[in-house]
Amino acid sequence: GAVVSQHPSWVICKSGTSVKIECRSLDFQATTMFWYRQFPKQSLMLMATSNEGSKATYEQGVEKDKFLINHASLTLSTLTVTSAHPEDSSFYICSARDWTAPEKDTQYFGPGTRLTVL
Amino acid sequence: AQTVTQSQPEMSVQEAETVTLSCTYDTSENNYYLFWYKQPPSRQMILVIRQEAYKQQNATENRFSVNFQKAAKSFSLKISDSQLGDTAMYFCAFRPGTYKYIFGTGTRLKVLA
Repeated sequence: GAVVSQHPSWVICKSGTSVKIECRSLDFQATTMFWYRQFPKQSLMLMATSNEGSKATYEQGVEKDKFLINHASLTLSTLTVTSAHPEDSSFYICSARDWTAPEKDTQYFGPGTRLTVL
Repeated sequence: AQTVTQSQPEMSVQEAETVTLSCTYDTSENNYYLFWYKQPPSRQMILVIRQEAYKQQNATENRFSVNFQKAAKSFSLKISDSQLGDTAMYFCAFRPGTYKYIFGTGTRLKVLA
């Protein structure tokens, strides 16, 4: 149980284009999902908290107009990197919390998406 | 500010030996959760073990156990009978009153054959 998928696993795009990354909870409902960014050999940096049916909460320093988050259902959250630039190249990871589980404090992570902007 | 510190950037251990990874955190809260996650080369984050702060008993999961010292704000991970598959980056994470995690900088563990 508690499986989270991400699609695509990797994407290469041209500078100026937009890229959408999907995060799905496969066997549970997730009212809350989280989006992280990880640079090589570094820790995870929380970008935003995605709440089903409401606006995402962004961490300080994260541009909400650049990183659009939509959490339209209890099993799907999407992150859209708008007008991507090479500095947006990174590894993006989502996680989800199973609010019905006894261990509702635990986050389960997707396999990540590697974004390369040329 | 709430912080998590992993003071060992890299460690190595011989196969079948025991290794301990350290983690300290800073918080003024009384109720919180602590986690160790493993990130192998595939980069998939895998939950290793979790600890609830109000429980004094140290959590164990097979070869993995923690030494939770609440007063000292310390949460170390012990891996017994180390296996080659344990080679990974290990992150300590702290979850205070909100549902957000605060991650440490990680410890890269290499298990040697």
